[in-house]
Amino acid sequence: QVQLKESGPGLVQPSQTLSLTCTVSGFSLTSNSVHWVRQPPGKGLEWMGGIWGDGSTDYNSALKSRLSISRDTSKSQVFLKMNSLQTDDTAIYFCTRTTRFDYWGQGVMVTVSS
Amino acid sequence: DIQMTQSPSFLSASVGDRVTINCKASQNINRYLNWYQQKLGEAPKLLIYNANSLQTGIPSRFSGSGSGTDFTLTISSLQPEDVATYFCLQHNSWPTFGSGTKLEIK
Repeated sequence: QVQLKESGPGLVQPSQTLSLTCTVSGFSLTSNSVHWVRQPPGKGLEWMGGIWGDGSTDYNSALKSRLSISRDTSKSQVFLKMNSLQTDDTAIYFCTRTTRFDYWGQGVMVTVSS
Repeated sequence: DIQMTQSPSFLSASVGDRVTINCKASQNINRYLNWYQQKLGEAPKLLIYNANSLQTGIPSRFSGSGSGTDFTLTISSLQPEDVATYFCLQHNSWPTFGSGTKLEIK
């Protein structure tokens, strides 16, 4: 069955780089897009960006200068890297499948704090 | 970016009630509108896609309607397990979400 699972550090210092991994199963990364969405505590959801089946990427214009999404199809993994983190980047980070956002990982809480 | 205005932000209703939640897009999004349910501490769950298509495994008391700029999620008979936050997503262009509706039982 389709599954996605996020992993990464729970705590990142301000100005540092966040690196997250989304490991997927039950579907092919070359046929389906994967997207990153985040949710600050008690707030709404924000699409960050995604990587398409052909490997091309799109980013939220508000984050584009700091964000990079890539993948390793042999490992069924999608990666998020975001630099220059600030406290307002504290959020739950989710990966989700396709533009329908039909399946989601359980999310990983990332706190930006010194 | 397309803005999604969702209402109400909070809703309290009794078991068995008919409940409606609305989303309004700042421009025409055709039928590229999904509805999700998010329970506390869980990932969002897709309920309705493309405005009115029920996702597999979702109870038939959930339905969606609308096109263009105005959309509605309806729960025909509210159940205790429906306590959650509901939000809409437009995917006509770069995805944007509604701000959410927190639903509780009276």
